[in-house]
Amino acid sequence: DGGITQSPKYLFRKEGQNVTLSCEQNLNHDAMYWYRQDPGQGLRLIYYSQIVNDFQKGDIAEGYSVSREKKESFPLTVTSAQKNPTAFYLCASSLSGGSEKLFFGSGTQLSVL
Amino acid sequence: AQSVSQHNHHVILSEAASLELGCNYSYGGTVNLFWYVQYPGQHLQLLLKYFSGDPLVKGIKGFEAEFIKSKFSFNLRKPSVQWSDTAEYFCAAGPRYGQNFVFGPGTRLSVLP
Repeated sequence: DGGITQSPKYLFRKEGQNVTLSCEQNLNHDAMYWYRQDPGQGLRLIYYSQIVNDFQKGDIAEGYSVSREKKESFPLTVTSAQKNPTAFYLCASSLSGGSEKLFFGSGTQLSVL
Repeated sequence: AQSVSQHNHHVILSEAASLELGCNYSYGGTVNLFWYVQYPGQHLQLLLKYFSGDPLVKGIKGFEAEFIKSKFSFNLRKPSVQWSDTAEYFCAAGPRYGQNFVFGPGTRLSVLP
C-alpha cells in the first residue's frame, strides 16, 4: 500500500533530551511537510521540503530541526530548545509542492515526562 | 498575514439535519482552498478542494463547498448528515504556486443518532 508511515505512534521526552520523529513515504512525492497540531489551534507548519537536500522553515520552526537526505524520508528532531514540545505531530507529502492535495501520516503524540 | 478562521469550535447535530461549517480566509493573491476531514482514529484526508472554475465544488460523501470571493469564504455544506460524519473538519488555504498551506483551527462535528 502506498502512503506515509510515521513512527513511533507515542513518544516520551525527558527534560533536555532531543528526540527524533520518523516519516517515510512511498508515494514518490517531491514535497514533504511537518505540522504540529494542538487542541483548538489546528495545524501549524514547522518545516517543509520541496526537494532532496533542501528545506524551509515554516511558521514555528524554533526548537526543531529536519533533514532530507532521501526523497522518501523527512525526519523531525525536537530539540531541548523546544520548551513546549507536547503536541501531536503530523507528517504530510504532496506530489510537487504546488499547493495541491496533501497526504497525511497517522501522527506521533509526543509528551514530556 | 495569511490566516484561516472557522466559525465554530464544536457543532452538534441530529442525524438528517443540514450542515454548514463556516470558513473565512485572509490570503494575498490567488489561493487554492481545501476542506480536510479527520475521522476518529483515522488519518486526515481531503474532502474537497477548489482551485478555479465553478465556485461550487462537490467532494466525497455528499459534501459540497461554495467559494465566495467577495466574502473570502469557503463554507462546507451537507444537506443531511449521518452519524458517520462525526469527525473534525479543517479548512485550509494555500497559494496557487507555493507550499505554505495555512489551516484553520478545526471544527468538531458530533452527529447524534
